[in-house]
Amino acid sequence: DARVTQTPRDKVTEMGQEVTMRCQPILGHNTVFWYRQTMMQGLELLAYFRNRAPLDDSGMPKDRFSAEMPDATLATLKIQPSEPRDSAVYFCASGLGGREQYFGPGTRLTVT
Amino acid sequence: QQQVKQSPQSLIVQKGGISIINCAYENTAFDYFPWYQQFPGKGPALLIAIRPDVSEKKEGRFTISFNKSAKQFSLHIMDSQPGDSATYFCAASKAAGNKLTFGGGTRVLVKP
Repeated sequence: DARVTQTPRDKVTEMGQEVTMRCQPILGHNTVFWYRQTMMQGLELLAYFRNRAPLDDSGMPKDRFSAEMPDATLATLKIQPSEPRDSAVYFCASGLGGREQYFGPGTRLTVT
Repeated sequence: QQQVKQSPQSLIVQKGGISIINCAYENTAFDYFPWYQQFPGKGPALLIAIRPDVSEKKEGRFTISFNKSAKQFSLHIMDSQPGDSATYFCAASKAAGNKLTFGGGTRVLVKP
């Protein structure tokens, strides 16, 4: 049963700390997306990669967020420094070419 | 600019009834329209999707109706069951493998 995995599932941190979220896409998928979900903004795209190359990161605050794909099996999203307004659930999704996107279980981030 | 508008925000239906959720989009370049189902604490899961070359697609109790000229599409859940209680999101993208723009979500409660 192929699934997108995300770690950690929950993260509580203090304002100003660095946060790193990790995603393992479904094996063989070549497109990886990062979304953020909040009550106020709903689901919004932060960034996405195809064949490990960044295609669009226009939804991401550039001064504090960064997204990378060190290899085909790992995507990372970093926030440095974190702020309370970053509190949200962060989802990774993966897909293959022009097909559907499959979402992971999410990382719930709380910044105090 | 909210490119995909979803209504209603919440819906209560009796078991066996029909749940209807509507979405309207603005960008005529959108050509892929999926619906996702999300349970509390889980990631969105792809339910059903449609492309604008067809006006209706049915999978089990779930049907998408699509009106290209009106730039509207809807999800019908027939014979609604308590297990269908979840939040449903419509979405749109320019191609199946590209970034999704989500509607605001509809929380559906099916009463037994």
